[in-house]
Amino acid sequence: EVQLVESGGGLVQPKGSLKLSCAASGFDFNAYAMSWVRQAPGKGLEWVASISIKTQNYATLHVDSVKERFTISRDDSQSMVYLHMNKLKTEDTALYYCTVSASGGHASWGQGTLVTVAS
Amino acid sequence: DVVMTQTPVSLSVSLGNQASISCRSSQSLLHDDGNTYLSWYLQRPGQSPQLLIYLASNRFSGVSNRFSGSGSGTDFTLKISRLEPEDLGIYYCFQHTHLPLTFGSGTKLEIK
Repeated sequence: EVQLVESGGGLVQPKGSLKLSCAASGFDFNAYAMSWVRQAPGKGLEWVASISIKTQNYATLHVDSVKERFTISRDDSQSMVYLHMNKLKTEDTALYYCTVSASGGHASWGQGTLVTVAS
Repeated sequence: DVVMTQTPVSLSVSLGNQASISCRSSQSLLHDDGNTYLSWYLQRPGQSPQLLIYLASNRFSGVSNRFSGSGSGTDFTLKISRLEPEDLGIYYCFQHTHLPLTFGSGTKLEIK
């Protein structure tokens, strides 16, 4: 069974930093691209970032609103994916989901970790 | 950016009836590789989203055959037949043909 467990969320002040982690299990982690998707309170879904696999040189993509501030990374040896978030803004407040990119979509989702940016 | 427009914003359907949700993209979602990267998701109240349909018309593993996806280019439809109580929630379409990847704003399905 695929399991994705996010952690690292919390309350942070504007301009602060946070590192989100996602522990993956139950599938061949090395073979799948991974993504982060967020959902602001009471709002819809927003794709944040994706990272490909080793054979695709771990290519990364980020939505413009987080470029230069957020960085997605992965550690295949630990089956972990991360989202390093810097210069946080109040509009980054959201539930952050880790997803497996497969079957032409986000095939599996974690339960999410809540990031609140407030002073 | 590709804008994904979902209609209706909300709908109320009786149990056993059919629901239909439209998703229109501001650009064709046909990729150069020949695939159409349009997927559908259901987010039940208090839960994480789940994948229903991928590549516009392929049902994901374990998804009921009451769910079907169709469409091409810029016009796509999700149909849910024989509505059941567990079908309530918010449905989202999503494209990953063009960067940035974008979701529709969601359609809230209520059971009448």
